[in-house]
Amino acid sequence: AQSVTQLGSHVSVSEGALVLLRCNYSSSVPPYLFWYVQYPNQGLQLLLKYTTGATLVKGINGFEAEFKKSETSFHLTKPSAHMSDAAEYFCAVSATGRRALTFGSGTRLQVQP
Amino acid sequence: EAGVAQSPRYKIIEKRQSVAFWCNPISGHATLYWYQQILGQGPKLLIQFQNNGVVDDSQLPKDRFSAERLKGVDSTLKIQPAKLEDSAVYLCASSSDRGMEKLFFGSGTQLSVL
Repeated sequence: AQSVTQLGSHVSVSEGALVLLRCNYSSSVPPYLFWYVQYPNQGLQLLLKYTTGATLVKGINGFEAEFKKSETSFHLTKPSAHMSDAAEYFCAVSATGRRALTFGSGTRLQVQP
Repeated sequence: EAGVAQSPRYKIIEKRQSVAFWCNPISGHATLYWYQQILGQGPKLLIQFQNNGVVDDSQLPKDRFSAERLKGVDSTLKIQPAKLEDSAVYLCASSSDRGMEKLFFGSGTQLSVL
């Protein structure tokens, strides 16, 4: 079974500041890991994913995440926040890539001017 | 490429009534998922189809929820009878056989049960 814990249901940063959204996972087998973003009244969009290979994954809109097996973490970062980054972010895990995703409870990112 | 289509966009019903949601996945996508997203929570899988067969329905409350995917294309999710705790956004997603780990989501149906 897989599970995801997202630390912090709300994160607020200033425009231009570093964004760090935390995600820890639990999986009995090597995981596939994902970050999705959800803008108001829109469906979820894939930001980035880790399946195999390089542990530092780059996604869209300047986001990146690093898979750390020893820490069972997959934190999402962006060096400089933009107002348009305000949204809800979900971390998700899949056991083999052929099964449905298990999502965390989400982190709402606010960006202050 | 057209995205995942869902309808209706909003639905308000009274408890004990029935409701149905429709989803048309991206053309050619063999796998279709229904997720329930309660306010303040992450999406929770209700059912996963591979073509017109069920892969996983372990979290579907089968006493009141049902889903079908006739002909392996579009799908319908039904709730009968609805309870107050069914108020949520119902998300449909699809993925191809090759990139099953990448899900494409529809905008969802927001259900309010009064």
